[in-house]
Amino acid sequence: QKEVEQNSGPLSVPEGAIASLNCTYSDRGSQSFFWYRQYSGKSPELIMFIYSNGDKEDGRFTAQLNKASQYVSLLIRDSQPSDSATYLCAVMNTGFQKLVFGTGTRLLVSP
Amino acid sequence: KAGVTQTPRYLIKTRGQQVTLSCSPISGHRSVSWYQQTPGQGLQFLFEYFSETQRNKGNFPGRFSGRQFSNSRSEMNVSTLELGDSALYLCASSLGVSYNEQFFGPGTRLTVL
Repeated sequence: QKEVEQNSGPLSVPEGAIASLNCTYSDRGSQSFFWYRQYSGKSPELIMFIYSNGDKEDGRFTAQLNKASQYVSLLIRDSQPSDSATYLCAVMNTGFQKLVFGTGTRLLVSP
Repeated sequence: KAGVTQTPRYLIKTRGQQVTLSCSPISGHRSVSWYQQTPGQGLQFLFEYFSETQRNKGNFPGRFSGRQFSNSRSEMNVSTLELGDSALYLCASSLGVSYNEQFFGPGTRLTVL
């Protein structure tokens, strides 16, 4: 079992729709959770992080965390073609500056 | 505030050679982590340095090493290069305290021929 699992996609949504990206993790010691966006040929860009159970909203993005189910998700509202990228889920254990990444979900937003 | 910088951006080496990559973190950040990204393995953690000390290490062979200087700049060295070392090498900068988010530099694309 991989430590962090994501559906590789592609996830295709029309412009203006809500994109829902999901991630599960195996290590119950994971304490912090991150979503990165990576455009082709570029480095990962941090878009959201969450530490506590529940929802965290930032603009069009909402991160959701359920530690009991070991599940974290990212919702992108009003999706734009510029949101087309690979979204990487990453988790970190307490006290360790080591991010464990999933393989990423490719999102395609069509005009 | 300036972001994370990495040099060089591109490198071409041959098998058996060694290479040194450099990373300058965001001002005030004391932690630098290094990652390798390949199409087959994705993003994998190499090691993390904080205040000139290696705090964490991933599952890479001893050919991969690093160091950090007093100004928090970090270098990564790969000796006896193999074809499989071709990858995008990314460094990430953070404050270094638990839960702090990491910010990535643009990466160094290494090609081993």
